[in-house]
Amino acid sequence: GEDVEQSLFLSVREGDSSVINCTYTDSSSTYLYWYKQEPGAGLQLLTYIFSNMDMKQDQRLTVLLNKKDKHLSLRIADTQTGDSAIYFCAELRANNAGNMLTFGGGTRLMVKP
Amino acid sequence: DGGITQSPKYLFRKEGQNVTLSCEQNLNHDAMYWYRQDPGQGLRLIYYSQIVNDFQKGDIAEGYSVSREKKESFPLTVTSAQKNPTAFYLCASSYLFYGYTFGSGTRLTVV
Repeated sequence: GEDVEQSLFLSVREGDSSVINCTYTDSSSTYLYWYKQEPGAGLQLLTYIFSNMDMKQDQRLTVLLNKKDKHLSLRIADTQTGDSAIYFCAELRANNAGNMLTFGGGTRLMVKP
Repeated sequence: DGGITQSPKYLFRKEGQNVTLSCEQNLNHDAMYWYRQDPGQGLRLIYYSQIVNDFQKGDIAEGYSVSREKKESFPLTVTSAQKNPTAFYLCASSYLFYGYTFGSGTRLTVV
């Protein structure tokens, strides 16, 4: 299938906001997700957004969805060193076997003290 | 607490040896998945199963095999046919649109 695309790397200073971007491919995707992976660990679901929403906020996290451009972003306010990790976006796609997630390649966020 | 458990955390394989990675979930999820992650890379789908006693190949199934005899369990066997098995392996399960729940991973190294 076509790729879900993310930039590879983002570096920010502690206390600044981080914005991680993602471009997805399927205009019929109903749900989009953000996951966080810390070193040597599995992926942790951070948040998800339904396609009829433009924005979703959850504490320091804000998800923005632009369906026209198929663009998804994750904003982390007041970024902390503990936010350093790889962030994956994913879209829910339907195929013959059912609904499955297609993941982007991940964005490595480095937070400098 | 409900969750998904992968074991072992670290596994070493000799050349020509088959090894099996365990994945167990008590979330009552129907679907389960196996992914491979190489250093600095994203996830690549190996196999998935949407229901008990049924599974499908993903993008990189060659050299791997799975079974799904129970809803809770989806073991992955890395066979000797997989020529470059050193990687981090992630198992996941899902229910409807609630996203995937991942295990903590198994790091496999060929020695």
